[in-house]
Amino acid sequence: DSGVTQTPKHLITATGQRVTLRCSPRSGDLSVYWYQQSLDQGLQFLIQYYNGEERAKGNILERFSAQQFPDLHSELNLSSLELGDSALYFCASSVAERGGKQETQYFGPGTRLLVL
Amino acid sequence: DAKTTQPNSMESNEEEPVHLPCNHSTISGTDYIHWYRQLPSQGPEYVIHGLTSNVNNRMASLAIAEDRKSSTLILHRATLRDAAVYYCILKETSGSRLTFGEGTQLTVNP
Repeated sequence: DSGVTQTPKHLITATGQRVTLRCSPRSGDLSVYWYQQSLDQGLQFLIQYYNGEERAKGNILERFSAQQFPDLHSELNLSSLELGDSALYFCASSVAERGGKQETQYFGPGTRLLVL
Repeated sequence: DAKTTQPNSMESNEEEPVHLPCNHSTISGTDYIHWYRQLPSQGPEYVIHGLTSNVNNRMASLAIAEDRKSSTLILHRATLRDAAVYYCILKETSGSRLTFGEGTQLTVNP
């Protein structure tokens, strides 16, 4: 158990809909990262938040957004869903903002999203 | 991040050592080498990391070539639970994100 929790575990929805994925980082970790894992793209970094502020953006679509709340939990919002958004979405957390090169990220169990 | 190259798949027998190679010929002098693994239906988990010297922890050992252009993750006695995709990742100063490649799918035979 990494200490990172994600809800829900599974989500089935229809194209055009909007969903919210939730992540609670490990106690004491201020950084939260979101990754997407699909069959054709592998594991890809989406976005990072540190202590409530956006810190880095990766291959995140404009239809996707995220935020980190004062209690440090984070939500990833996916809107106007398409079939291709079906994937596993992982949240990870770490202590620092930019992290040293030695810093470890701790991953949650993921949310499996299926868009029909 | 600099690129790493790993074999797509490897097989091992239970209770035998496993050596998982990673090539990173464009590594810069200050990049750390990290290994993560992803068990079936789980999120990635940290295994080990190093810079120049060989490293050991309770999960594995990391052997780093003298020129740092390659490294090897060593599982001393593979168990069925070690069957996973193993990712070799170079960590630069540019940020905290992890850049995953395709990794090596390790199969452990009973």
